[in-house]
Amino acid sequence: EAGVVQSPRYKIIEKKQPVAFWCNPISGHNTLYWYLQNLGQGPELLIRYENEEAVDDSQLPKDRFSAERLKGVDSTLKIQPAELGDSAVYLCASSPGLAETMDTQYFGPGTRLTVL
Amino acid sequence: AQKVTQAQTEISVVEKEDVTLDCVYETRDTTYYLFWYKQPPSGELVFLIRRNSFDEQNEISGRYSWNFQKSTSSFNFTITASQVVDSAVYFCALRPLIQGAQKLVFGQGTRLTINP
Repeated sequence: EAGVVQSPRYKIIEKKQPVAFWCNPISGHNTLYWYLQNLGQGPELLIRYENEEAVDDSQLPKDRFSAERLKGVDSTLKIQPAELGDSAVYLCASSPGLAETMDTQYFGPGTRLTVL
Repeated sequence: AQKVTQAQTEISVVEKEDVTLDCVYETRDTTYYLFWYKQPPSGELVFLIRRNSFDEQNEISGRYSWNFQKSTSSFNFTITASQVVDSAVYFCALRPLIQGAQKLVFGQGTRLTINP
């Protein structure tokens, strides 16, 4: 079974430029998450989708960040414009969306963003 | 508030030594889940174990074992007879079992280096 797929794996841009990350979750997983991982830190949730609905975006900086999951499968996270402080790894995860007692999140390899 | 503390930032041991990674958590919830993830240099977070707050039995999986002690709010992870392939960053995470709250709260991680 294929895992969570993310692209690109690495991205280098200049500040003020836009950037987008793509994620394809494990087949059949209804719940999709985007996390931000700063160097030397644990991941922090940005947004969670249940199918195509964003059910928790409280940690998403909405002035420059946006996300979509139009058909409830793959998702795109966008930053516009990027700032130096956005340099980090952006991780996507998915879970089956079963009863919460059984829900485990599986992560992709992440996209490492460097803003110059 | 939910918090996970991994006090050991880095650990370095020689191959075949046993090593224990500490995890202490804080939560006001009576029901919650605890997780361990491994993050090798490739960047992908690999799920290792999930434990619910009602099950304090220790668990062993090959060379890996986990000691959950609710009285001290700890969920420690031991690798027996460590191998070079165990080198990675290990994250402990907490998820409350509040309906709709599937947010994982991660510790800062422990970088484990196994030297040949």
